[in-house]
Amino acid sequence: EAQVTQNPRYLITVTGKKLTVTCSQNMNHEYMSWYRQDPGLGLRQIYYSMNVEVTDKGDVPEGYKVSRKEKRNFPLILESPSPNQTSLYFCASSPIVLAKTYEQYFGPGTRLTVT
Amino acid sequence: LAKTTQPISMDSYEGQEVNITCSHNNIATNDYITWYQQFPSQGPRFIIQGYKTKVTNEVASLFIPADRKSSTLSLPRVSLSDTAVYYCLVGENNFNKFYFGSGTKLNVKP
Repeated sequence: EAQVTQNPRYLITVTGKKLTVTCSQNMNHEYMSWYRQDPGLGLRQIYYSMNVEVTDKGDVPEGYKVSRKEKRNFPLILESPSPNQTSLYFCASSPIVLAKTYEQYFGPGTRLTVT
Repeated sequence: LAKTTQPISMDSYEGQEVNITCSHNNIATNDYITWYQQFPSQGPRFIIQGYKTKVTNEVASLFIPADRKSSTLSLPRVSLSDTAVYYCLVGENNFNKFYFGSGTKLNVKP
């Protein structure tokens, strides 16, 4: 089944404790992206990647890191989480056709709470 | 990136046609317009995408006037399962940076 998977689905952690949220897709998509969703703010893009070793900042990259060492994986790293990073996180992937992305396929989400 | 404005919420009844309009006054020449649907605690799901005039698929229609400063998502004969948040998204596909906005919460009543 074609899908985007995220792990963990739920995570409660404490301020300053480094964490990684994994994202993997099995559709051979070039494009991958991370979003966070907060009440009243919709989805905001954190980082995106056009292909292996190519990443770029979205609208809200502060406090996050990403890496794209393999085409299928795009982990989101919080080196020193803070309470304002408590949010619902979504990973997405998309094929690139003629240098353009089209529909994005989203993962199930990771609900992160930082205390 | 062109930002979008949508109504915060809309109510409808089963079997009605629903039209959700999105304003994007600063849309650029290369921008496409895309709509997504999101159910609670799930990731958004692609509905439709267009550049100008009208696009139709098995789920919805997208109407884009000549000036492209707005677009309207049309959902024919909605059912209770269409209750969701609908996002209008404008962005240059070849830049691959997206702005979703707050979306329109559609509530379909029996």
